Amino acid sequence: DGGITQSPKYLFRKEGQNVTLSCEQNLNHDAMYWYRQDPGQGLRLIYYSQIVNDFQKGDIAEGYSVSREKKESFPLTVTSAQKNPTAFYLCASNPDGRDRETQYFGPGTRLLVL
Amino acid sequence: SQQGEEDPQALSIQEGENATMNCSYKTSINNLQWYRQNSGRGLVHLILIRSNEREKHSGRLRVTLDTSKKSSSLLITASRAADTASYFCATDLNQGGKLIFGQGTELSVKP
Repeated sequence: DGGITQSPKYLFRKEGQNVTLSCEQNLNHDAMYWYRQDPGQGLRLIYYSQIVNDFQKGDIAEGYSVSREKKESFPLTVTSAQKNPTAFYLCASNPDGRDRETQYFGPGTRLLVL
Repeated sequence: SQQGEEDPQALSIQEGENATMNCSYKTSINNLQWYRQNSGRGLVHLILIRSNEREKHSGRLRVTLDTSKKSSSLLITASRAADTASYFCATDLNQGGKLIFGQGTELSVKP
């Protein structure tokens, strides 16, 4: 069953704590993306990666970090430097070729601060 | 600043009616896409229209693009309660697959 999985569905962060959100895809897509969505808002790009071992900052990268050690995986760490982390986080990926413009999304992780 | 802006922010209609959502953008685009999001879920791609296209259809969806006005519209015909969701436009500026999303239109279709 192909697709993008994100875990956990809900995540709670304590003050000063780093937390890591998982994103895995078995679609053999090269490019992967992390977005943040606040209530009633559109998506804002945090980081993206077009190839293994390479990634670029998006529009709101401060307080976040990523790694891309494997093609299938693109974990996002929300660091203690991110002062307002409560949001819905969405991971997406792009295939190669003709359909590379279309993004495929995971189900999201909702991060809440205790 | 936001590349894509959508209106209305919210739309409530009766089942069977048509729903029209609009998206405006600021800079030249490679293509424009529409996505749907059910509450608390990920986004699902609906339709893509390229900068050299003016109209595109997919089932009950009709998308138009006016590059001179930098605007697009999404029409859902004969709406159903199951169409209730948020709809987002996203512009592709030909920057390596990056998309810029609008703030979305929240559609409510009442049975």
